[in-house]
Amino acid sequence: DAKTTQPPSMDCAEGRAANLPCNHSTISGNEYVYWYRQIHSQGPQYIIHGLKNNETNEMASLIITEDRKSSTLILPHATLRDTAVYYCIVREPFKAAGNKLTFGGGTRVLVKP
Amino acid sequence: EAQVTQNPRYLITVTGKKLTVTCSQNMNHEYMSWYRQDPGLGLRQIYYSMNVEVTDKGDVPEGYKVSRKEKRNFPLILESPSPNQTSLYFCASRHAGANVLTFGAGSRLTVL
Repeated sequence: DAKTTQPPSMDCAEGRAANLPCNHSTISGNEYVYWYRQIHSQGPQYIIHGLKNNETNEMASLIITEDRKSSTLILPHATLRDTAVYYCIVREPFKAAGNKLTFGGGTRVLVKP
Repeated sequence: EAQVTQNPRYLITVTGKKLTVTCSQNMNHEYMSWYRQDPGLGLRQIYYSMNVEVTDKGDVPEGYKVSRKEKRNFPLILESPSPNQTSLYFCASRHAGANVLTFGAGSRLTVL
């Protein structure tokens, strides 16, 4: 899996967009960018993933640069319940042998009123 | 509601007293796995199962056992717990062709 670099922490104002960056300069052609989050001591929660095109779902948008060396997760209208640690993971699609997911340090996001 | 259910959510036990943490999913997922999460060490995979009666070791299997007799259940067994198994445990599952893991809410285990 390609190495990712995320800022350790960031604050965001409630109601504003939260933009979470992730660098993955060694990403290979068949590796996807996944985002999960973990609200304090709860189970990690899948947010979104993409290969090269920008993606959007009900939770967030994922913007991947043209060279695929970095990406940004956008939470369009952050709420207090979005306070969590956000993990950017770059890996190939799960294969038949196992389903290991490796989380790095992540970005601790604090949404403030 | 589609979910992965773990029990117990919290447990304090003593060294050597066998315990089982249950995991059940209602999504007909083929793959299931167990992780432990410790401060500074991130999420580490203990065991995984590709389908009924098929299990394999993850990165930190020592001191743990699993079984997969039914598709929906994947219990984690600690035959003789030790204090270094004090941790937060997560069960996760997915469909064979999917790239997204669904996690349980977690089980916090303390071994005295």
